[in-house]
Amino acid sequence: SQQGEEDPQALSIQEGENATMNCSYKTSINNLQWYRQNSGRGLVHLILIRSNEREKHSGRLRVTLDTSKKSSSLLITASRAADTASYFCATDARRDDKIIFGKGTRLHILP
Amino acid sequence: DTAVSQTPKYLVTQMGNDKSIKCEQNLGHDTMYWYKQDSKKFLKIMFSYNNKELIINETVPNRFSPKSPDKAHLNLHINSLELGDSAVYFCASSLGRRPNFNQPQHFGDGTRLSIL
Repeated sequence: SQQGEEDPQALSIQEGENATMNCSYKTSINNLQWYRQNSGRGLVHLILIRSNEREKHSGRLRVTLDTSKKSSSLLITASRAADTASYFCATDARRDDKIIFGKGTRLHILP
Repeated sequence: DTAVSQTPKYLVTQMGNDKSIKCEQNLGHDTMYWYKQDSKKFLKIMFSYNNKELIINETVPNRFSPKSPDKAHLNLHINSLELGDSAVYFCASSLGRRPNFNQPQHFGDGTRLSIL
């Protein structure tokens, strides 16, 4: 399987609820980034977290990184309809700087 | 005032043809990338250029040839198009002297290539 795999593949929640997406990777990394992609558009950068960081916040977004488990999570609090999108994690491997994107989580916010 | 712009947005062509996709960024970034996103939304890096120099060349058929006339432009030329080339191709750019992931990448809106 690919470095950087998101879980779940798809998630539907009610507006106002919190959404949590997880990302797992296989090899040691330098950095991990989360991106959002709206339908028919390019990816938009959300948060970058370095391998020596454990948590970062940006507005309603909270990202955690657990290098011992090789996993990261993205929490979106108080979800809105506009949060409906696909969310991707991406990493660069420490051994060769190779950039790999996961397959994404499709998030659907129900009104 | 689009940061990373790609043209065309849609490209429909016959198998065997040669086509080009253009990309321009006005962010002053040194590094530019081409990605391919398949029908299952899987995004894979193809090439990266830093200041007109090829840095990353993933396992991509040599029918794909990137060209960087200057650091603000990275074009993608594809020869002898095949059915499997149908995908969305994204251009991106980032700060930094070489491709690195300690800076956000800025993506264009993609070029949807359909091979008939």
